[in-house]
Amino acid sequence: DIVLTQSPGTLSLSPGERATLSCRASQTVNRNYLAWHQQRPGQAPRILIFEASRRVTGIPDRFSGSGSGTDFTLTISRLEPEDFAVYYCQHYADSPRTFGQGTKVEIK
Amino acid sequence: QVQLRESGPRLVKPSGTLSLTCAVSGDSISSSRWWTWVRQPPGKGLEWIGEIYHSGSANYNASLKGRVTISVDKSENKFSLMLTSVTAADTAMYYCADPPSGFWGQGILVTVSS
Repeated sequence: DIVLTQSPGTLSLSPGERATLSCRASQTVNRNYLAWHQQRPGQAPRILIFEASRRVTGIPDRFSGSGSGTDFTLTISRLEPEDFAVYYCQHYADSPRTFGQGTKVEIK
Repeated sequence: QVQLRESGPRLVKPSGTLSLTCAVSGDSISSSRWWTWVRQPPGKGLEWIGEIYHSGSANYNASLKGRVTISVDKSENKFSLMLTSVTAADTAMYYCADPPSGFWGQGILVTVSS
């Protein structure tokens, strides 16, 4: 089974700053089937990125995904107030389609 | 647009069985999706519980040690979760979802307590 390790656990930044979140897989993620989900407090998660780098329709272009194989990155170019949330990566090529443990982006 | 809605008892006694249903609208349960259950204990991260295809083929999180069963009901366009021998550690928000497609229910908080 693939284990996803996200780092850092918490990222303390100010609005307008750049956020770089990492997701490392214990083995190759086939076809780069890696998604990023955002979860705001009290809300269900919502998907931002699929296939490692494809942005979902309606997601602002300040969100971008990159990477392949075992190393993936979510970048938020300039943090807006609504971006302070928890972010999870998930692989979905094969079962079990596990999640990483999450990275919390908090206001500094 | 696919919509998912969880329903079921919000309080379950220890050693009892947790049973939840997810009603699917906007799509057929027989479409090419892995219908999934995800849970989130209070203050913690997302845990993938398992998934089912309309054929009935299912996959489960091994950490749940055979306590979990997911089933599909084509006639009512819904799928269900059953978790047996629950303890306080099973207290969580339970979501039905197709995460890679971006479809999530609103979630239902289930508490295990006597």
